[in-house]
Amino acid sequence: DADVTQTPRNRITKTGKRIMLECSQTKGHDRMYWYRQDPGLGLRLIYYSFDVKDINKGEISDGYSVSRQAQAKFSLSLESAIPNQTALYFCATSDPRDIQETQYFGPGTRLLVL
Amino acid sequence: DQQVKQNSPSLSVQEGRISILNCDYTNSMFDYFLWYKKYPAEGPTFLISISSIKDKNEDGRFTVFLNKSAKHLSLHIVPSQPGDSAVYFCAARSGNTPLVFGKGTRLSVIA
Repeated sequence: DADVTQTPRNRITKTGKRIMLECSQTKGHDRMYWYRQDPGLGLRLIYYSFDVKDINKGEISDGYSVSRQAQAKFSLSLESAIPNQTALYFCATSDPRDIQETQYFGPGTRLLVL
Repeated sequence: DQQVKQNSPSLSVQEGRISILNCDYTNSMFDYFLWYKKYPAEGPTFLISISSIKDKNEDGRFTVFLNKSAKHLSLHIVPSQPGDSAVYFCAARSGNTPLVFGKGTRLSVIA
């Protein structure tokens, strides 16, 4: 079984709709992250959480919100989706006890906003 | 301001030859550098890393070189294989902050 799972894997929605992307992990890591990937732009950090009570904005947080419901769960919401939020979204986890703090990624959610 | 730069969007190499992927950075406080590999329809996976106190780290066919004075690192793959065809991301971190990623280089290994 995958250590980091994301649901849904694919989603098509319309402009103005609210949607939620979910991430779960069984690695026991305290830290979790949400990234988006766009062609030619690499991976850009949206939000991150170092523990259940900690939420931090990343490079491109506008238009997004997150919720850390438990150590194992970190969800990303688009309150009112717009077409330029069409992208691949990745969740990742890391363990602060790891000296280089490798991040482990989920398989991604492909989102299309019409 | 982009702190981690991969200036080559793509690279084509013949099977059996060496692949060299380059990465430049601007933040002298970075203490770890990581390379990730990404296949289509999958999440990025960790490949190899190097601490800022070292200049070389080797793992099988993969070697990463770090030149701190030039703020430059490179990933060497020898020999290249068709299964190495993927997008490679360079990433770096300093202290207690999340990884900063480059834009990636798409490697195509031609049989």
